[in-house]
Amino acid sequence: EAQVTQNPRYLITVTGKKLTVTCSQNMNHEYMSWYRQDPGLGLRQIYYSMNVEVTDKGDVPEGYKVSRKEKRNFPLILESPSPNQTSLYFCASSPTSSGREQYFGPGTRLTVL
Amino acid sequence: QKEVEQNSGPLSVPEGAIASLNCTYSDRGSQSFFWYRQYSGKSPELIMFIYSNGDKEDGRFTAQLNKASQYVSLLIRDSQPSDSATYLCAVIRAGNMLTFGGGTRLMVKP
Repeated sequence: EAQVTQNPRYLITVTGKKLTVTCSQNMNHEYMSWYRQDPGLGLRQIYYSMNVEVTDKGDVPEGYKVSRKEKRNFPLILESPSPNQTSLYFCASSPTSSGREQYFGPGTRLTVL
Repeated sequence: QKEVEQNSGPLSVPEGAIASLNCTYSDRGSQSFFWYRQYSGKSPELIMFIYSNGDKEDGRFTAQLNKASQYVSLLIRDSQPSDSATYLCAVIRAGNMLTFGGGTRLMVKP
């Protein structure tokens, strides 16, 4: 089944404890991206990648890191999480390097205490 | 001014009616436009995309694009209670960044 998977789906952590949210797609898509969704602010792009080893900042990159060492994986790293990073996170992928027609993973709900 | 604007709703329509959802965008250089549906607690699901001025139809859905007016809309014909969801308009701006509007909540009443 063609899909984007994220792990973990739910995570509660404490301020300052490094964490990684994994994202994997099995569709051989060029483009992958991360979003956060907050009430009243909608979906905002954090980082995106048009291909392996190519990453770019989105609208809200502060406090996040990403890497794209393999085509299928695009992990999101929070080196020192803070409470304002409590949010619902979505990974997405697209068959085109331009990011058209993005398909979303199931989401990761992160709470930082 | 937000990059992509939508009325948050809720937009309430009776079952069988046409639901009309609207979206405006500020970047005249935008080329690609998308409509996503998001059920409560679920991830956004792509339902329509449109790249050229005019109408594009897919089943009960019609997307309309007017680049001169910087306006994109989604019509849902014969609305069903299962169409009740939040509809997100999204635009690809320069630099391949996908920007979303805040979404319009649609309620279809039986």
